[in-house]
Amino acid sequence: QSALTQPASVSGSPGQSITISCTGTSSDVGSYNVVSWYQQYPGKAPKLIIYEVSKRPSGVSNRFSGSKSGNTASLTISGLQAEDEADYHCCSYVGSRVFGGGTKLTVL
Amino acid sequence: QVQLVESGGGLVKPGGSLRLSCAASGFTFSDYYMSWIRQTPGKGLEWVSYMSSSGSRIFYADSVKGRFTISRDNAKNSLYLQMNSLRAEDTAVYYCARDTESHSDYWGQGTLVTVSS
Repeated sequence: QSALTQPASVSGSPGQSITISCTGTSSDVGSYNVVSWYQQYPGKAPKLIIYEVSKRPSGVSNRFSGSKSGNTASLTISGLQAEDEADYHCCSYVGSRVFGGGTKLTVL
Repeated sequence: QVQLVESGGGLVKPGGSLRLSCAASGFTFSDYYMSWIRQTPGKGLEWVSYMSSSGSRIFYADSVKGRFTISRDNAKNSLYLQMNSLRAEDTAVYYCARDTESHSDYWGQGTLVTVSS
């Protein structure tokens, strides 16, 4: 399976909303609702922030939301804050697990 | 609370071997699938292998098949990754993670493996 496609970087100003896309195929992202998103700070382990396309684990801010259309999943962060500056990774859990290349979010 | 602590990383020459361990606590280890996932410096994540709760189902990424072996000891709440015939491209931080049906919900802090002569 090929890696999922994410933009290398996105940026936004505090208070704005940004969306990170994650594009796969009909065999992974498009087939089942098993897309998850992870937030990672430099030197730290990834942290689950969205699972099964749009569900939030307990304790994760409702500023984070997920969606899917066809073969593309999306992570939206609303009300951008400085603490949101991190790397974001998507993952599809169909058969073997495949990750996206990661997106670096810069808060201007 | 759920804790996963990896150990066993280090510097190894190409062709060498290393065994990683992951000590789990804070949950019933024997109820969960477990994964190894790696991250090359400055790059994205790559799933390496996963094992079912009983150990009966095992999957490997093509890049490590035949060289890496995943195992677990439910009595010791531990997950292992035996890495043989190591290559420069195996250099990465290796994470163990607890799995559900659809995602990895908890990750350890990782252990660095460097393959270099």
